[in-house]
Formats: sequence, C-alpha cells, structure tokens
Amino acid sequence: DTAVSQTPKYLVTQMGNDKSIKCEQNLGHDTMYWYKQDSKKFLKIMFSYNNKELIINETVPNRFSPKSPDKAHLNLHINSLELGDSAVYFCASSHTGQGNTEAFFGQGTRLTVV
Amino acid sequence: GENVEQHPSTLSVQEGDSAVIKCTYSDSASNYFPWYKQELGKGPQLIIDIRSNVGEKKDQRIAVTLNKTAKHFSLHITETQPEDSAVYFCAASMGGSYIPTFGRGTSLIVHP
Repeated sequence: DTAVSQTPKYLVTQMGNDKSIKCEQNLGHDTMYWYKQDSKKFLKIMFSYNNKELIINETVPNRFSPKSPDKAHLNLHINSLELGDSAVYFCASSHTGQGNTEAFFGQGTRLTVV
Repeated sequence: GENVEQHPSTLSVQEGDSAVIKCTYSDSASNYFPWYKQELGKGPQLIIDIRSNVGEKKDQRIAVTLNKTAKHFSLHITETQPEDSAVYFCAASMGGSYIPTFGRGTSLIVHP
C-alpha cells in the first residue's frame, strides 16, 4: 500500500496555464506538506498544513495555493504557470504530536513548463 | 529561523570505504535530526534519526552522531556499496508543528 501518493508523476504544460497536483496519504497523519526541489536538489518547503493551521513560506508566489478537502488530502494548485516553476514537487506527511516523527514523502511530480 | 548547512555537496568513494557527511544547525532549540536518502526518481526516505537526548545511534552500517554543544551532527556509512549511491539530506526540527529545515543535500557516489 502506498503511504503518500501524488498524481500525476509527470506534467508538461504551457506557460500561462493553470494546473493542479493531487496528494493523498493513508497514514492517518495530521500534517501535510508541499516541497519544491530544484535542479540542484535543494528541498524548499512551500506549505505546511494541518487541520488547524496553514503555514506558508513567504517566498512562495501567491499563484501557488494549497487546498485540503479533508485530512488525508492536500492538493497544490498553480495559476499562470511560469518557466521558473519547472521543478519536482513533493508532497509529504507526518504526525506532529508531542514528539517529532519522520516525514513520509510521495514519489514526486516532475513539472515542466514550456 | 533555523539554518542547516551540509557538507560536502558531492562525495565520491570506492566500494568498501567509509563515507561521512556533516551538518551544522543554528537554533539550539532544535531537538530532532533526521537523515533522508533520495534515490533517483524517488522521494526522500528516512534512513536514521537522532534526538537531542542521545549522542550517537547506529543501525547496521549507518551511524549518526550529535554534538549539541557545537550544534553539529554527522552521518557515517561504513563498508559502502554501490546501492548506497544517492542524495542524502540532513534536517533539523524544533518539534511539534515546526517544519523541518533541510540541508542542501550530498550526492554520494560509490564506485564498484
């Protein structure tokens, strides 16, 4: 069983389009994340969300927005795509109770904007 | 906020040699330090973690050490194998809902 699954795995689209990436976790975790990984492999946090709080990295353009229909899903919507948005996007989840636990990552979505 | 520095960015070793990756962090409130391995085309996966009340932890060929005073922690891989080739990330977290801060990654290449 896949713990964190995201779709699609590959996404090629033109500049100016609006697209969404879906993420689902079946681990019962209370917190989900979106990360952007650039060509140099740097993992940059974009959003952290649980049922109480959305934390946004202030450097993320407001063209990016997370949408959570329920605790098991955190989808990423991107409006007016730009060439610089090309990257691999990872969804992750964890349980953030009293102690820290590991984050489980999806397999990534490679977004290419042409 | 927390800042995590990771070195080296690339590490090339011969099969059977040891590999060491080092990280430093800036916030003394950080208390959880996971290490992730990312294979080509996959998402990062946890390989080992350490909490601030422990100085060293081992799991077969992998060990992690933590020096809270100096605010640095290291990953040690012994008897490296070609399948150890991957990108390794360290991270630091302050607990609760605090988001882990990742280092920039180390590309480990193990030559057969």
